[in-house]
Amino acid sequence: QQQVKQSPQSLIVQKGGISIINCAYENTAFDYFPWYQQFPGKGPALLIAIRPDVSEKKEGRFTISFNKSAKQFSLHIMDSQPGDSATYFCAASGGGTASKLTFGTGTRLQVTL
Amino acid sequence: GAGVSQSPSNKVTEKGKDVELRCDPISGHTALYWYRQSLGQGLEFLIYFQGNSAPDKSGLPSDRFSAERTGGSVSTLTIQRTQQEDSAVYLCASSPRPRDNQPQHFGDGTRLSIL
Repeated sequence: QQQVKQSPQSLIVQKGGISIINCAYENTAFDYFPWYQQFPGKGPALLIAIRPDVSEKKEGRFTISFNKSAKQFSLHIMDSQPGDSATYFCAASGGGTASKLTFGTGTRLQVTL
Repeated sequence: GAGVSQSPSNKVTEKGKDVELRCDPISGHTALYWYRQSLGQGLEFLIYFQGNSAPDKSGLPSDRFSAERTGGSVSTLTIQRTQQEDSAVYLCASSPRPRDNQPQHFGDGTRLSIL
């Protein structure tokens, strides 16, 4: 059972454009929603995270939008740069004493010049 | 180093052999997690250790998989009688305070290839 669905699978954006990645979850007990960035050969690194008590969180060029009623959240990368080319994973945790993360299947982002 | 350290970085072994993967968490982190990342897939939770509590083994795919954490620090993931479907990147993460949903910090993983 895939509890976090992520789309699109891949994305090509021109430099300076906006990259948008979407995720939807099923478990209403989730209470923490991080986004991870992964470069080839490296482990995922936390990019930005949000809790369901806010609808938006912005850090630099990265923004999470959260819609609790729709059980959806998205990552927006403004002014996308070639250095942003990586795989992005959404995740969710909660519903118990262990914060094990349930991940989406990832989005491979390519930012072209 | 300040990050999560995993060894070996790459492991190639024959089907049927046992393998051991090692994780050194960030100093002071009480929680340790193992995940598996298969080619083109997201990360799949395997097992979670928190202090002296019994580990959450709910993600282990079969009884061929086991893990230990000695002294609340280093952890070893063991796969017995490896199968080709075990080929994946095995990632370890640690976090300071899981009850507060503190972020997990990942190592760079062990890439396991079963021939």
